[in-house]
Amino acid sequence: GQQLNQSPQSMFIQEGEDVSMNCTSSSIFNTWLWYKQDPGEGPVLLIALYKAGELTSNGRLTAQFGTTRKDSFLNISASIPSDVGIYFCAGQLGNFNKFYFGSGTKLNVKP
Amino acid sequence: EAQVTQNPRYLITVTGKKLTVTCSQNMNHEYMSWYRQDPGLGLRQIYYSMNVEVTDKGDVPEGYKVSRKEKRNFPLILESPSPNQTSLYFCASSLRTGINEQFFGPGTRLTVL
Repeated sequence: GQQLNQSPQSMFIQEGEDVSMNCTSSSIFNTWLWYKQDPGEGPVLLIALYKAGELTSNGRLTAQFGTTRKDSFLNISASIPSDVGIYFCAGQLGNFNKFYFGSGTKLNVKP
Repeated sequence: EAQVTQNPRYLITVTGKKLTVTCSQNMNHEYMSWYRQDPGLGLRQIYYSMNVEVTDKGDVPEGYKVSRKEKRNFPLILESPSPNQTSLYFCASSLRTGINEQFFGPGTRLTVL
């Protein structure tokens, strides 16, 4: 199946710092999505991107759909302890019924 | 409360003993999907359903079956479980195909001995 390479695998940061993570693929994606998973729960959608170059914000979160359509990044500004969790990128190719997920970035925030 | 429910939440079983994990949503969603989550691999899609009686394979369908006889239910069936199917399973639903906001269930942790 398709592989999405997500990095970094994990991050340990201080509260208040900014965070950046990204996802790359060898295939062109039509949609890029970013999810957050809290411990013991299912993922929750944070941001959806639909067009190459698109930059979208959701509060302190900003994500971009890469111009090559093969990558995306997520930035979190001024991190807080409740940002702790696993962040996943996901994408769709031509078939909008199928979703491919990255391996996740585990974020730890020290108060 | 709008939600996706899964049962059981935890299951330990033995190789070859057929099992079913149920998934139900109360949001009248057309699209439902099953994923497995394994360390270092993220979530991988097993099967999805676009509507009643319409199902198709995801990325890792081998060893699994699904059915969609009613809109609200989408059970995952393991006819002959094997240890490599030990995983955390998530069911998800969305309003319809093309609507990307999937609502995920709480997960089912399955161990096959």
